[in-house]
Parts: sequence; structure tokens; C-alpha cells
Amino acid sequence: EDKVVQSPLSLVVHEGDTVTLNCSYEVTNFRSLLWYKQEKKAPTFLFMLTSSGIEKKSGRLSSILDKKELSSILNITATQTGDSAIYLCAVGGDNNAGNMLTFGGGTRLMVKP
Amino acid sequence: EAQVTQNPRYLITVTGKKLTVTCSQNMNHEYMSWYRQDPGLGLRQIYYSMNVEVTDKGDVPEGYKVSRKEKRNFPLILESPSPNQTSLYFCASSFIGFANTGELFFGEGSRLTVL
Repeated sequence: EDKVVQSPLSLVVHEGDTVTLNCSYEVTNFRSLLWYKQEKKAPTFLFMLTSSGIEKKSGRLSSILDKKELSSILNITATQTGDSAIYLCAVGGDNNAGNMLTFGGGTRLMVKP
Repeated sequence: EAQVTQNPRYLITVTGKKLTVTCSQNMNHEYMSWYRQDPGLGLRQIYYSMNVEVTDKGDVPEGYKVSRKEKRNFPLILESPSPNQTSLYFCASSFIGFANTGELFFGEGSRLTVL
């Protein structure tokens, strides 16, 4: 059974801090790892990673995949209150005929002013 | 505007009263899926559909049914809701092969409470 585990479960920081969120996975025939940000509504796409060691970056957010360690990290530098959200990691695999994404439980980040 | 629309957004119902949550997308996506989100458990897939008349079970299909008679619509049916189906439900869609693009589009969510 595919499994995605995120840590920490929740995190409280102050504006300006840097945070690192972790995602580890066990999946059949790994295809990709995706990060989503969920505020009050639907998850919105942040990054997709398919190759080890290549950093994806968007503003203050960056992410990297380590296929050897079966994990990924999401870094947020100079955090702002608008970064407060649940961050979801999902892994795409070929464990059946469909395009399956297995989601982790999420990390709830709260950024205090 | 490209979007996935779910209805109702909020619903309180009683055990055993059949209900349907509708989902419609206007992006001509082949792939549609239903997830439920519960605290600490992330998003768990209920059912998905690769195209019209093609549906399959996800991780937690028990107590749910779906249908895909048209490409744009993918309703979720709870024939006899029970309190353990109280959850936040998301419909999502994409082109086939989304794992290569990451572009899984989500609806706004439907919060269901079963008393």
C-alpha cells in the first residue's frame, strides 16, 4: 500500500523565520511528487518534482526531491502571515491502472506577526 | 473561467437520507476524482474516473457511488449516509497524465455533516 508521511504535523513560527517541511514516501513505481498549499479552500498547486537533486523555486518557496531517501523537503524563507496554511505532499505512482495520487496528512503552518 | 464546481458547499443531513454532491468541470478534462479530507489524514481518494463510463475505486470507496455519464460531470452519491461520512469532500480534475504536469484542479470543497 502506498504511503506518504509528512512532518511535522504542525508548526508555529514568527514572520521572517525560515521553515522546512518534510515529506517521505513509499509508493509503487514512483512517477512524481507534488506539493500543494491549502488555505481555507481547495489545495493549490505549488511544485512538481520528478528528478532527484533538482531544486524547484518560486519566490521564497523551494523544494527538492531525494529519490534515494524517498523524501522531499519544502523550504519557505522569510515567512509571512500569508504563508499560514496546510501544506500537502502527494506522490504519484503506477500502482494500478489509474493516475493515483496518494496524499500525506499535511503540515499545518501558522506564521505569527 | 476554468473551474471545478461542487454543490452543495455545505450540507447537514441525517443518517440514511440519500444525498448527491455534484461536480462539474469546464476544462474538458478526462480525469476526475473525489477525495475526502479528515483531520490528520490528508486527502484520501474515494473514486476516480479516467473518462466517460470509466470509473474505479480509490482508497476509501465504501459507502459511496459515482457515475460518469458525461465528461464534465462526476457526481458523488451517498445512498445511506452515516456519521462516519462526515467530512470535507473535494472533487478534482485534470487531463490524463497529470502526474507529469502536476495540474490537478480542485473544486472549492463540500463540507458534509451527517447526524
